[in-house]
Amino acid sequence: EAQVTQNPRYLITVTGKKLTVTCSQNMNHEYMSWYRQDPGLGLRQIYYSMNVEVTDKGDVPEGYKVSRKEKRNFPLILESPSPNQTSLYFCASRATTRDTEAFFGQGTRLTVV
Amino acid sequence: AQSVTQLGSHVSVSEGALVLLRCNYSSSVPPYLFWYVQYPNQGLQLLLKYTSAATLVKGINGFEAEFKKSETSFHLTKPSAHMSDAAEYFCASSMDSSYKLIFGSGTRLLVRP
Repeated sequence: EAQVTQNPRYLITVTGKKLTVTCSQNMNHEYMSWYRQDPGLGLRQIYYSMNVEVTDKGDVPEGYKVSRKEKRNFPLILESPSPNQTSLYFCASRATTRDTEAFFGQGTRLTVV
Repeated sequence: AQSVTQLGSHVSVSEGALVLLRCNYSSSVPPYLFWYVQYPNQGLQLLLKYTSAATLVKGINGFEAEFKKSETSFHLTKPSAHMSDAAEYFCASSMDSSYKLIFGSGTRLLVRP
């Protein structure tokens, strides 16, 4: 079954404590990305990756890092989380053909206190 | 810059009534267009997509959407709403030059008994 798996689903942390949200896909997709979802703003892209070791900033990259050491994994790293990073995060993967859809993980609800 | 506008952050219909969720895109070149649905505490699931093969696109769960280039619109419809249709709906576009999805701000559909 085609799947994008994110962990954890829920996370409460304190300001400044580094955290990582993992993302893994089993579809051999080259393109992976992270989005954050905030009320009234839809989904905004944080970072994306075209392939292993190829990453680039999206629309709201400040305060985030990513890495792509393996094709299937694309972790999101918050080195020093702040309360304005409280949000719902989605990882997505997509084949590199223009008319295909993106597949999304179940989401990670992060609260930074 | 490319953008997607969803008119109405909340839409309420009675069970059995027509569902109409509006989406307009801004692009000089017709993009690829997608409708996703998000049920509570879940990720985004593809409803349907427009990839220039046909202007009227049928999706899952009885939904369909019509691409109208003259109106730069891709509105989502369903003839008869069901209680299980209550969810948030996102319209998204993708340009030929990028794999990035641009999302609208979302429309929450409420179905009244």
